[in-house]
Amino acid sequence: ETGVTQSPTHLIKTRGQQVTLRCSSQSGHNTVSWYQQALGQGPQFIFQYYREEENGRGNFPPRFSGLQFPNYSSELNVNALELDDSALYLCASSSTGANEKLFFGSGTQLSVL
Amino acid sequence: GDSVTQMEGPVTLSEEAFLTINCTYTATGYPSLFWYVQYPGEGLQLLLKATKADDKGSNKGFEATYRKETTSFHLEKGSVQVSDSAVYFCALSEINNAGNMLTFGGGTRLMVKP
Repeated sequence: ETGVTQSPTHLIKTRGQQVTLRCSSQSGHNTVSWYQQALGQGPQFIFQYYREEENGRGNFPPRFSGLQFPNYSSELNVNALELDDSALYLCASSSTGANEKLFFGSGTQLSVL
Repeated sequence: GDSVTQMEGPVTLSEEAFLTINCTYTATGYPSLFWYVQYPGEGLQLLLKATKADDKGSNKGFEATYRKETTSFHLEKGSVQVSDSAVYFCALSEINNAGNMLTFGGGTRLMVKP
């Protein structure tokens, strides 16, 4: 077990709604990254937060937004949900920002109906 | 942009068989390369990594060598076990305008039969 916890584990929403996913990073880690993993595909980078500021963003629209708190936990918010947003959302934390020491949570499975 | 291509699965093997999962990459610079494993219902776990050309990453009997001339990072294991059944992802990391990010391949499902 990595020490990275995500909540909820499963979530069902309808198209157009908004959702907030949460991640508690491993103790001592100050960097959090979020990935979207569609069924049968590899994870895709959404964005990364380092010391409460966005430190990089992948090819996702602005309706995907995030926050990092002083305790380094993080939220991923998705507005105006679309059917294609159905996926496993993975949070990963690290202590240096380097991907060599990235620890993943078990993910939140989001279904948009 | 950067990309990773790995062989499609599923790969089905008998216990103690030899495993190869092919992975090739495209990158503008000198990336670090990784193999991650995902067991059912779990997140990704780092299996092994290599940070420069000709480096060999190894862990739990798995090996992969960073081949810059062929832009490849194939995963191998001499004798697979039923417990190795999982999905394997090849990935690269290159610091660019998007910050530190991992680019993953599509994953290869391995099924090992007793």
